[in-house]
Amino acid sequence: KAGVTQTPRYLIKTRGQQVTLSCSPISGHRSVSWYQQTPGQGLQFLFEYFSETQRNKGNFPGRFSGRQFSNSRSEMNVSTLELGDSALYLCASSLHRTLLQANTEAFFGQGTRLTVV
Amino acid sequence: KNEVEQSPQNLTAQEGEFITINCSYSVGISALHWLQQHPGGGIVSLFMLSSGKKKHGRLIATINIQEKHSSLHITASHPRDSAVYICAVRVYGSRLTFGEGTQLTVNP
Repeated sequence: KAGVTQTPRYLIKTRGQQVTLSCSPISGHRSVSWYQQTPGQGLQFLFEYFSETQRNKGNFPGRFSGRQFSNSRSEMNVSTLELGDSALYLCASSLHRTLLQANTEAFFGQGTRLTVV
Repeated sequence: KNEVEQSPQNLTAQEGEFITINCSYSVGISALHWLQQHPGGGIVSLFMLSSGKKKHGRLIATINIQEKHSSLHITASHPRDSAVYICAVRVYGSRLTFGEGTQLTVNP
């Protein structure tokens, strides 16, 4: 069974540009969540999607957005890139999510390393 | 104060030693995860706990809900255990919140 696939693995962008990252969850998984990891801030939650609906959102500016498609694949977009957006962006997928809590195991992708110059 | 605190931040051990990493949290949670991250970024979920204790090979994870504390133990540590270990909690009905991680180095 294929794991969580993130593309691309590495990306270099210029300040002011926009970027779209992709995450394909494990087959059958309906929940996808996104995280940003930087040396200074560690891992931080960006957003979570289940059945094409955003269920939770972290404390990030509106330049960060995402969506989930009917096949559960998800994309996140960052517009007007800043140097501080340089980070490892990870996504994780889970089998299901109830409305109140998610006690299912999360499987992580290898991440996309974004460098903004 | 962070909602999730891990200790120690860095840990160096000799091969074969028993290792303990601690995680304390200050919010109500529905589950706690222990994650392992190797150089290069890939993260592997080791355990998900909502109560009690779980064991997988040489790894043992425990959680005390009343004390809001969890520990990850590694018995008979090996150099391949060298990685960053991250505690993450699922806040009720909400997001995953992460500890800052513990960098473990096991020397041969």
